[in-house]
Parts: sequence; structure tokens; C-alpha cells
Amino acid sequence: EAGVVQSPRYKIIEKKQPVAFWCNPISGHNTLYWYLQNLGQGPELLIRYENEEAVDDSQLPKDRFSAERLKGVDSTLKIQPAELGDSAVYLCASSSGTVPGELFFGEGSRLTVL
Amino acid sequence: AQSVTQPDIHITVSEGASLELRCNYSYGATPYLFWYVQSPGQGLQLLLKYFSGDTLVQGIKGFEAEFKRSQSSFNLRKPSVHWSDAAEYFCAVGAQQAGTALIFGKGTTLSVSS
Repeated sequence: EAGVVQSPRYKIIEKKQPVAFWCNPISGHNTLYWYLQNLGQGPELLIRYENEEAVDDSQLPKDRFSAERLKGVDSTLKIQPAELGDSAVYLCASSSGTVPGELFFGEGSRLTVL
Repeated sequence: AQSVTQPDIHITVSEGASLELRCNYSYGATPYLFWYVQSPGQGLQLLLKYFSGDTLVQGIKGFEAEFKRSQSSFNLRKPSVHWSDAAEYFCAVGAQQAGTALIFGKGTTLSVSS
């Protein structure tokens, strides 16, 4: 069974440029999460989807960040425009909901903003 | 406020020695508790979880953790550390509800010396 797939693994951009990250969750997992992991910190939730509905986006900076999960499968997280402080690892995770708290994480997308 | 504290940022243990990583939590209700491990360049992987019942839980790779309600702690232990255990370890809490996002601690980096 394939795990959570994220792309790109690494991205370097100039500040004020846009960037997008893509996530393909484990097949059949209805819940999808985007987490932000700053250097030396634990993951922090950005947004959680149940199927195609964003059920928790309270921590998503909506002035520059947006996300979508069309058809309740793949998801895209976008930043426009990127700022220096956005340099971090963006983690995608999915869950079947069968076991509370059992999240399956992708390898992450590391963003560097210059 | 809901939070997870991992007091030790970095721990070095000799191969074959025992290990204990500390975790304290603050949560309004009775939480579910988790330990995740993140190896370099890899996604987070669930080590073990505590929902209820026996306060000593066993996980993968020979790890165990003990829930102590009176101390609001959920410390991770391993009797004999292997070099492959070098990684970052995250303690997390979540509500007793499937799909709820987890709150992570800042992590403890484990180094293993030969």
C-alpha cells in the first residue's frame, strides 16, 4: 500500500513569489491534514479536511495561505506571496479515522524562501 | 490551554543503554496520548498510543510508555537503545474523537553513541 505522497520534496523561491505543495493521501483515508514544522519545533496544524470539507482551518493564515481538496482526495496548499518566515517543512498527513490519532505522514516539503 | 512539553531538547545515550524521554501535557479533558518518531528525511511514524486501561503501553521497535495521570506525564522508555533509534521523538495529545488533530511537543532529538 502506498503511503502519503508529497511533492515537491524541496523548493527554493524568492520572497514574494508563489509556491504550491501537493499531497496524495493513502487511498481511502477521508481525513487529511496539513501541518507546518519549523526548525526545532513540533508540527503545528494548519488545516484539516474531512473529505472535501475544511473542518478546521483556524490556524491557517488566510491572507497568504490557501488550500483545497477537490473531490476529497488530493490536496494542494498554496502560499502567495511567500515571506522569509515561511521557510519550513510542510507536512501532509492522512487518517482513516478508525484509530483516533493514528496519522500517516508524508516525507514533507521543505520550503526555503530567500 | 492545551499543550505538550518535552523538557529535553537533545539527549545522547550509549548504544545498549536504557532510554527515557519525558513528556508532560496540559489538556482540559482526558486525552489520547501518542509518541511519534521522525528519522532524518522521513515522515513521522506512530510508535505507540494510549487511550485507556493499562497505563503501560507497548509500541513498535521495543518502545514502551507509561501514563501517569497524577503527574500529567507520558514518558517513553526503551531498555536497550540501538544505533538505529537515533531520531527525533515527538509526544502528542489529542481529543478522544476520531479525526481530531493532534497537538505536538517540540520534540527530543536522540543521539546514540557507540
